[in-house]
Amino acid sequence: QQQVKQSPQSLIVQKGGISIINCAYENTAFDYFPWYQQFPGKGPALLIAIRPDVSEKKEGRFTISFNKSAKQFSLHIMDSQPGDSATYFCAAGGTGFQKLVFGTGTRLLVSP
Amino acid sequence: DGGITQSPKYLFRKEGQNVTLSCEQNLNHDAMYWYRQDPGQGLRLIYYSQIVNDFQKGDIAEGYSVSREKKESFPLTVTSAQKNPTAFYLCASSRTTSGRYNEQFFGPGTRLTVL
Repeated sequence: QQQVKQSPQSLIVQKGGISIINCAYENTAFDYFPWYQQFPGKGPALLIAIRPDVSEKKEGRFTISFNKSAKQFSLHIMDSQPGDSATYFCAAGGTGFQKLVFGTGTRLLVSP
Repeated sequence: DGGITQSPKYLFRKEGQNVTLSCEQNLNHDAMYWYRQDPGQGLRLIYYSQIVNDFQKGDIAEGYSVSREKKESFPLTVTSAQKNPTAFYLCASSRTTSGRYNEQFFGPGTRLTVL
């Protein structure tokens, strides 16, 4: 019940395309869903996060869509750029949880 | 600048040696975490600490030890009991471990290689 399942494991998108990464969770008590971006050899950096009181959050080219009934959330990267090539992790946690539960990561490659 | 620092950036260990990885934060966060990341893999939690002088085992604590004597510092020791320590180690901190403020900030990582 503590797992967060992330897909796909890897993704290749052409420059200008839309990248979509999906995550699913089981524990309905989660109330905080962040996404992290990690470049090779660097630590992950918080990209965007959502709480279940909204169904969508947008920051620039990055959008989180949240479906509470399906227990799924996804990251959409619009107009994907080569500089977006990185590994993306979803996570879940929040009230009553002492740690974040991370997905296994998606390696995104945006081809020029 | 506020943030998390980890040192060293690269560390080499001979078999049978204990080594200590440093993690310092000046964000005034109560909670700190250590993760291990293997090539192409996700983040696995080793230990975490909610407050000074208190810490809990994560999912893969065997062969590791930690201390939390100061709020700013959370060093990780990789002991000789850890049979496969070669990995990328990440330290993180958050304001608290639970509630609506467990947004975690990560350090730049330490790459440990066993010779």
